[in-house]
Amino acid sequence: AQKITQTQPGMFVQEKEAVTLDCTYDTSDPSYGLFWYKQPSSGEMIFLIYQGSYDQQNATEGRYSLNFQKARKSANLVISASQLGDSAMYFCAMREGRINKFYFGSGTKLNVKP
Amino acid sequence: SAVISQKPSRDICQRGTSLTIQCQVDSQVTMMFWYRQQPGQSLTLIATANQGSEATYESGFVIDKFPISRPNLTFSTLTVSNMSPEDSSIYLCSVLSRGETQYFGPGTRLLVL
Repeated sequence: AQKITQTQPGMFVQEKEAVTLDCTYDTSDPSYGLFWYKQPSSGEMIFLIYQGSYDQQNATEGRYSLNFQKARKSANLVISASQLGDSAMYFCAMREGRINKFYFGSGTKLNVKP
Repeated sequence: SAVISQKPSRDICQRGTSLTIQCQVDSQVTMMFWYRQQPGQSLTLIATANQGSEATYESGFVIDKFPISRPNLTFSTLTVSNMSPEDSSIYLCSVLSRGETQYFGPGTRLLVL
């Protein structure tokens, strides 16, 4: 089974609107971390936000928030007030327990329209 | 977070040749990794670079094709050997910082003709 599933290959959003990028995960380990990365066309991977499995509150970083629904095993990224510079690939990733291995989803390409 | 640099940022190489990619971190880190990202694909872990010992390779990757060195806690190299067009990818090094989060270098874009 896939460890990380991103079902949206591509998304469009109007500038200044909010957008949700979906991510579901699969693990039986009670301790895990969930991450979102942004990859612009330049190719670098930019860390956006982190959620630990034991965190009680949803993580937020500026315009980014992570909608963590543990029972559903989902970790959706919400970008508020989209900007043209948000156009990029977005990858969801998971680290299980204390294993130093990250599992990446297939990514979602976000296009922000002016 | 750690600041990571990679050299070269991009290269165009002929098949059959080898390219060595360097990764430099501005602070000592325990864990360093090398990833490959083929065009239009997600990231695939090649290996964990271990300081002072042989790298730990993932299934499908071998030392003869992707030799890795890590002489200290701030530097590592990845060599792509005997290249073919199928090796055209972005190669990324990464580190674990603050215990939990993985940070990436800017990547090396490789095109093999």
